[in-house]
Amino acid sequence: GAGVSQSPRYKVAKRGQDVALRCDPISGHVSLFWYQQALGQGPEFLTYFQNEAQLDKSGLPSDRFFAERPEGSVSTLKIQRTQQEDSAVYLCASSSTGLDLSGANVLTFGAGSRLTVL
Amino acid sequence: QQQVKQSPQSLIVQKGGISIINCAYENTAFDYFPWYQQFPGKGPALLIAIRPDVSEKKEGRFTISFNKSAKQFSLHIMDSQPGDSATYFCAARRSGGYQKVTFGTGTKLQVIP
Repeated sequence: GAGVSQSPRYKVAKRGQDVALRCDPISGHVSLFWYQQALGQGPEFLTYFQNEAQLDKSGLPSDRFFAERPEGSVSTLKIQRTQQEDSAVYLCASSSTGLDLSGANVLTFGAGSRLTVL
Repeated sequence: QQQVKQSPQSLIVQKGGISIINCAYENTAFDYFPWYQQFPGKGPALLIAIRPDVSEKKEGRFTISFNKSAKQFSLHIMDSQPGDSATYFCAARRSGGYQKVTFGTGTKLQVIP
């Protein structure tokens, strides 16, 4: 597709439920990021994939959060036993290269998945 | 630990005026400073970016000013228009690795006619 597609756009979950959020990056993009954006805040880094390899998961807030990208394209962010503090917009972004020192490569963000935990 | 500090939190500017948003960073390993624009219900989109070897970059009505010694940079929007009303995020990225971007807390800009 022309852009990064995320689904579902909105998800309401009861506390304790598991949720799965999907990201379809731009075709051929090597790098894929997940960010968490709380209401009124800037995006916070969660995890990074280069192709199918998860190279950095330092931003995942707890072991309830898990991300995968098994074939190096579509990625899924899974949150187990959701808590109210997990309520946020989850943003996925992709770019065409991996290591890039020039700064010229552009991160393209999807519109996000808004998760509300009741 | 907030590595990129942004101010003001919100800003109201009249049409035709200049909007100014300021950011400061602490980590001297940052070597790329993008600004993102986000409309409600959308993801952030790259607006303009600068590297620390230049002090100013201009693209149309948008200018970044960069002060390496003070570890500060700012976005100036000239001739602000109602269509510029959005949330703006400054950001920074470290050298020597992949494109992990650290964002500021955002400035909600409203341009009134």
